[in-house]
Amino acid sequence: EAEVAQSPRYKITEKSQAVAFWCDPISGHATLYWYRQILGQGPELLVQFQDESVVDDSQLPKDRFSAERLKGVDSTLKIQPAELGDSAMYLCASSLDTASTDTQYFGPGTRLTVL
Amino acid sequence: AQTVTQSQPEMSVQEAETVTLSCTYDTSESDYYLFWYKQPPSRQMILVIRQEAYKQQNATENRFSVNFQKAAKSFSLKISDSQLGDAAMYFCAYRSKNTGNQFYFGTGTSLTVIP
Repeated sequence: EAEVAQSPRYKITEKSQAVAFWCDPISGHATLYWYRQILGQGPELLVQFQDESVVDDSQLPKDRFSAERLKGVDSTLKIQPAELGDSAMYLCASSLDTASTDTQYFGPGTRLTVL
Repeated sequence: AQTVTQSQPEMSVQEAETVTLSCTYDTSESDYYLFWYKQPPSRQMILVIRQEAYKQQNATENRFSVNFQKAAKSFSLKISDSQLGDAAMYFCAYRSKNTGNQFYFGTGTSLTVIP
């Protein structure tokens, strides 16, 4: 069964350093989502792509976060510089399209710890 | 913005018994989708069940069923014949048909299954 791949699974960094996360959605899925999940809370959408275009990045802290999906397939989320409050699980999800009926499939996540 | 509330941070159930997880949401929209996702410890989030707001019939998936009360904006999940593998965090989610079909998640309910 096809799955959403994410790497790394765990990342420890010091504050002010740069970090990057990678996501490979299920083949053929046009829509890709990045979520941040703070411990004890539900996922919060950071950015949503439709193919290579950003559909929604209203919750993305653009002063330090950036995301790209250059060829409309895999995606990278970057944080520079990292802050203590960025410690969280970063989840990637994909769906066939943006239709409301489409199921989102989640990857295993990248757990970020900022020291 | 839509909000999703899960008022039960933790629940427990005896194996083979039935448990109900509650979820309420706030929206001014008339058509939308509601979901329950399951996140086992250290494993990825998976879809449990989905409900379309315009459908009056409650969705069911094997041992999982929902009680959808649109007027009350309530969407509870019932798990029958609970199994040890049902132990997980359960997230209720709302998907708007506007605002780019964004998902809004609740804070989750941690379910423990007692052997």
